Amino acid sequence: EPEVTQTPSHQVTQMGQEVILRCVPISNHLYFYWYRQILGQKVEFLVSFYNNEISEKSEIFDDQFSVERPDGSNFTLKIRSTKLEDSAMYFCASIRTGNYGYTFGSGTRLTVV
Amino acid sequence: DQQVKQNSPSLSVQEGRISILNCDYTNSMFDYFLWYKKYPAEGPTFLISISSIKDKNEDGRFTVFLNKSAKHLSLHIVPSQPGDSAVYFCAASALETSYDKVIFGPGTSLSVIP
Repeated sequence: EPEVTQTPSHQVTQMGQEVILRCVPISNHLYFYWYRQILGQKVEFLVSFYNNEISEKSEIFDDQFSVERPDGSNFTLKIRSTKLEDSAMYFCASIRTGNYGYTFGSGTRLTVV
Repeated sequence: DQQVKQNSPSLSVQEGRISILNCDYTNSMFDYFLWYKKYPAEGPTFLISISSIKDKNEDGRFTVFLNKSAKHLSLHIVPSQPGDSAVYFCAASALETSYDKVIFGPGTSLSVIP
């Protein structure tokens, strides 16, 4: 069964450093998403991406965040200057148009120290 | 701003019995509802969905019921199995205003006891 692949599975970074979280969505999917889950809290929408541009973003997704699909297969989330409160599980997801059952990756656990 | 609520953080059920997970929403613009299951250290897995034009959708052991007037939906699992032990997230989207953003509830942790 096709999978959404995320790397790394765990990233530890110093506060203020830049991190890039990587995702390889399912190849024939057209919509891509980042969600995050802070420990003990709910899964929160960050951003959606379609046709090589952001289609929607939440208030969490401020100027410190950016997304890119640099080569047609990878989908990255960059946090420019990490804060302690960015520590969370970050999930990438993708769907083929018309199907609202996202396929999620296994997540990247980001720990900011 | 809790647009999707799951008021039971946890639920324990005996194997073979019915599990009923509840979800309430506040945004009347929501017109598509989904349930996801999540095991530790894995991403959420899509389970079942329902459009607001229906009041029931069934897939094997899983049935989702939607009561639009009460803004309430529930997921029934019959019979419950130990492998169903996971966190279940209710989620909703408003296709008219936000084509692809899904709002998740806080989740209910289901334990199925053998």
